[in-house]
Amino acid sequence: ELKVEQNPLFLSMQEGKNYTIYCNYSTTSDRLYWYRQDPGKSLESLFVLLSNGAVKQEGRLMASLDTKARLSTLHITAAVHDLSATYFCAVDQNRDDKIIFGKGTRLHILP
Amino acid sequence: NAGVMQNPRHLVRRRGQEARLRCSPMKGHSHVYWYRQLPEEGLKFMVYLQKENIIDESGMPKERFSAEFPKEGPSILRIQQVVRGDSAAYFCASSPRGQGAVGANVLTFGAGSRLTVL
Repeated sequence: ELKVEQNPLFLSMQEGKNYTIYCNYSTTSDRLYWYRQDPGKSLESLFVLLSNGAVKQEGRLMASLDTKARLSTLHITAAVHDLSATYFCAVDQNRDDKIIFGKGTRLHILP
Repeated sequence: NAGVMQNPRHLVRRRGQEARLRCSPMKGHSHVYWYRQLPEEGLKFMVYLQKENIIDESGMPKERFSAEFPKEGPSILRIQQVVRGDSAAYFCASSPRGQGAVGANVLTFGAGSRLTVL
């Protein structure tokens, strides 16, 4: 069964610093998604990665996918307080479209 | 476009009562997913439906939980004889895509229904 693991689960960092969140998954898939959730709110889509080597960037966030390593990364550059949120990665299981989420990484950026 | 509508947003039930959570997908979306989120935990897949059909319910507890998505009206997640452990946020998401589709399957989430069992 597909498992999706994120690390770290909690991350407290200073503004201006760089950091990376990792997402590993257990079975073959070439569709990976990143979502953001603010406290008490719903989830919104950030990135969709559909092939090996895919890289997407939006502002200070950049996501990449290595399907051979079954690994995606979400890199934060020069963090700002507004990026404080919980970030989830999610993966499709091949052929049946059930989408499995990781436990999320709670990111807290200190001013 | 109203997006994914969930109601109620907050629901309080006593142990043994029934909880019904409703989800209207985005216009044009024919597939609905339900997830449960416990405090400090991630999203746990429960069930995936299209109109009049349950595609995958492998995440649903075998007892007390059921889901439907009728031809007309919203999808409903029903929890019978609730227990304290059912307290959680239940999120619905919809998608325009179906099984085995090529390309992205980006989910649009509702605001969630927060169930509290006393």
